[in-house]
Amino acid sequence: RKEVEQDPGPFNVPEGATVAFNCTYSNSASQSFFWYRQDCRKEPKLLMSVYSSGNEDGRFTAQLNRASQYISLLIRDSKLSDSATYLCVVNMFSGGYNKLIFGAGTRLAVHP
Amino acid sequence: EAGVAQSPRYKIIEKRQSVAFWCNPISGHATLYWYQQILGQGPKLLIQFQNNGVVDDSQLPKDRFSAERLKGVDSTLKIQPAKLEDSAVYLCASSFTSGNTIYFGEGSWLTVV
Repeated sequence: RKEVEQDPGPFNVPEGATVAFNCTYSNSASQSFFWYRQDCRKEPKLLMSVYSSGNEDGRFTAQLNRASQYISLLIRDSKLSDSATYLCVVNMFSGGYNKLIFGAGTRLAVHP
Repeated sequence: EAGVAQSPRYKIIEKRQSVAFWCNPISGHATLYWYQQILGQGPKLLIQFQNNGVVDDSQLPKDRFSAERLKGVDSTLKIQPAKLEDSAVYLCASSFTSGNTIYFGEGSWLTVV
């Protein structure tokens, strides 16, 4: 089983739609969680951290379910500019240091 | 604030040749990472440095890949000899310390023919 698994893409949605991405992780010792965004042929950039109580940043909402080892990202009112690959990232503490593990990413295409 | 700098941006080499990538992290960042990203996949950690010491190189193909971070600042990643399957983007990233937000460079795109 992969350490971080994401919904297969691509997701093709019209502008204004709400879309949700899911991610599961295998290591229950994982400590912190993030969503990164990667535009085509660009480097990944931090979109938002995921907190235990859930958190929102504008149109983006991230949620964490530690019991089910599950993370989600909800995007409301999709914009054309949201088209990108969304990477689920899990931080594991092991051997005295933190290690970030990336999922394979879910591709989102927003069309007019 | 200057970001993570990488060079070269693009490199095409023949299989069995060697290549080296250079990375300059954000000033003051103790942790430096090299990730390999193959098209359609997420970044895979190759090696992680804390200052100038290696803390994780479990996924580094040590028969052909090597990396160093002398003086705890700049780093180089070398591949020798290259294989076709090494074609990928090599992303350098840094963070203030492990566990903090990591910032990526623009990547070095390698094509092995």
